[in-house]
Parts: sequence; C-alpha cells; structure tokens
Amino acid sequence: TQLLEQSPQFLSIQEGENLTVYCNSSSVFSSLQWYRQEPGEGPVLLVTVVTGGEVKKLKRLTFQFGDARKDSSLHITAAQPGDTGLYLCAGGKGGGSNYKLTFGKGTLLTVNP
Amino acid sequence: DVKVTQSSRYLVKRTGEKVFLECVQDMDHENMFWYRQDPGLGLRLIYFSYDVKMKEKGDIPEGYSVSREKKERFSLILESASTNQTSMYLCASSPHKAPDTQYFGPGTRLTVL
Repeated sequence: TQLLEQSPQFLSIQEGENLTVYCNSSSVFSSLQWYRQEPGEGPVLLVTVVTGGEVKKLKRLTFQFGDARKDSSLHITAAQPGDTGLYLCAGGKGGGSNYKLTFGKGTLLTVNP
Repeated sequence: DVKVTQSSRYLVKRTGEKVFLECVQDMDHENMFWYRQDPGLGLRLIYFSYDVKMKEKGDIPEGYSVSREKKERFSLILESASTNQTSMYLCASSPHKAPDTQYFGPGTRLTVL
C-alpha cells in the first residue's frame, strides 16, 4: 500500500514557468519533509513542516502542509534549469524506536533552458 | 555540515557473493538507516538502528542483515547476493531529537550479475 501519492509523476517545463507538485495521503503525519535528489546522488532535505496549515518559503520554493496534516504541496516560481531533479515527499509517524519515515515515489522535474 | 559517506559509489558483484556496504556519519547521530531505491518503487526501508548494537527490520529486510558496532558506522550485508538485489542503496542518519531530519549519503549503485 502506497501511503503517499505524489503527482504528477513527471513534469517537463520551460525556464521561467511556475509549477506545483502534490503529495497526498489518507494518513495523518506528525511531520512532512520535501527532498530533492539529483541524478546519481542521495536526496537532500529541503524543508520540514510540522503544523497543519503551515507555509514555508525557501527563495523561489513555497511549501504548504495541509490543515489536516495529510497532504502537502510544493510550488516553484520562475523555475530554472538548476531546479531539475526528483522531488520526494516523506511523512513521519510514531515516536522513539517506533518512528518511521515513509517516502512517496517522487515527481521528476525537468526545466528546459 | 552533516556528512554521510558510503564506501563505494559503484559496485559490481556476482550472484552468490557476500557483499558489504559501509556507511559512516560524522555528526554523532543516534539513528541510522538503509534504504534501496528502484524505479517505480521509490525508497524502501531495509533496516534501521537507533543505537549502537541495536537493529530493527524495516519494510523489506529479507536477504539482508546489518551491523552497528560503533555509533558512526552502519553496515549492510547481503549474505548471498541475487540479481533482484541490483539497486541503488542509500544510507541516512538523523539525531534522536529530530528523527525526521534525515541526511543521506551519495548512494551505492550495486549491480549483481
């Protein structure tokens, strides 16, 4: 069972365009993370959101956590070729030794010059 | 900056061989994780450890074992490699106080022939 659904799976846009990718679940998470992974490298953490309705901005990237803490979105303004990569969301549940992070399958973004 | 290193970027082994993948982190993190990443399947948790000499099975532990003799080092062992274990293997670490903030290594691309 895939707990986190990411959409779209693939996205190819031109430099300067805006885009939004989504991460949806029927489960409630205590926190949600967004990572970016470049080809041949490990994922790099972009942001963690923990409060329902929270919005965080990181330069041209805006992250939102749904009010019910079941979904999240990532909006990129004026995309650049350097934004190209696999964007992964991950939801955290449990505590202590029972804590688990579940990853979505990712959105592969290509920004063409 | 947190640094997670993995012993090899690329590895080619034959069916039946014993394979060791090493991971070292330099930030004194208590938690360490091993994932595999496959196209269409995303990141799947193999094993994790919340302390030295402690290990817990993840979602897909079959065919793997792990060792955590020192806090900074977490090893993944394939006792008898099989072709279906060809994959990208990613190690991650996180502190107890922020278990959802995982830092990943660059990955090891393992091919089993």
